[in-house]
Amino acid sequence: DTAVSQTPKYLVTQMGNDKSIKCEQNLGHDTMYWYKQDSKKFLKIMFSYNNKELIINETVPNRFSPKSPDKAHLNLHINSLELGDSAVYFCASSQLPGAVLYNSPLHFGNGTRLTVT
Amino acid sequence: RKEVEQDPGPFNVPEGATVAFNCTYSNSASQSFFWYRQDCRKEPKLLMSVYSSGNEDGRFTAQLNRASQYISLLIRDSKLSDSATYLCVVNGAGSQGNLIFGKGTKLSVKP
Repeated sequence: DTAVSQTPKYLVTQMGNDKSIKCEQNLGHDTMYWYKQDSKKFLKIMFSYNNKELIINETVPNRFSPKSPDKAHLNLHINSLELGDSAVYFCASSQLPGAVLYNSPLHFGNGTRLTVT
Repeated sequence: RKEVEQDPGPFNVPEGATVAFNCTYSNSASQSFFWYRQDCRKEPKLLMSVYSSGNEDGRFTAQLNRASQYISLLIRDSKLSDSATYLCVVNGAGSQGNLIFGKGTKLSVKP
């Protein structure tokens, strides 16, 4: 199946731990993203990579570090997890940066529900 | 003013009703506009793009008013399966034009 897939689907961990979320897309897209959806359902961009290069880095604590080994993968590593990091993290991809063209919509993964206790 | 504002709802309507959602955006330089749909505990999915002249896709009609920085979505003949949260999406400032999502309007269609 062509898709954006991310693992794990659920992640429960304690404060202070380090965790990673993996994302892969087989759509042949050049651009990948990480979005965070908090408890108020507000979906905010965190990072965007185009062909393995960082192009968007919103105001995110430097405990969050994205890694793109190739244009089909964008992983998210989080150090020293805090309670406020609890959210659903969505990986997404698009053919072009910013998905500004109408024929380049965002394709989202299923999300990773992170709970920090 | 928030970058993208929507009425959070919920809108509770009977099957067959017509329902309209509104959205305003703050960046007058925005060029790209979309409606996404998000089902409960699922990922957002593109519903339709919004073109300057307005556009229709089956029971869904999207309108854009650049002067008022206002976008709308009209759903005719609502189905139970239309129940979801509808997200207004606009490209933000900057050359990369990252997409800014509204908080969404929740629609519940009842039998």
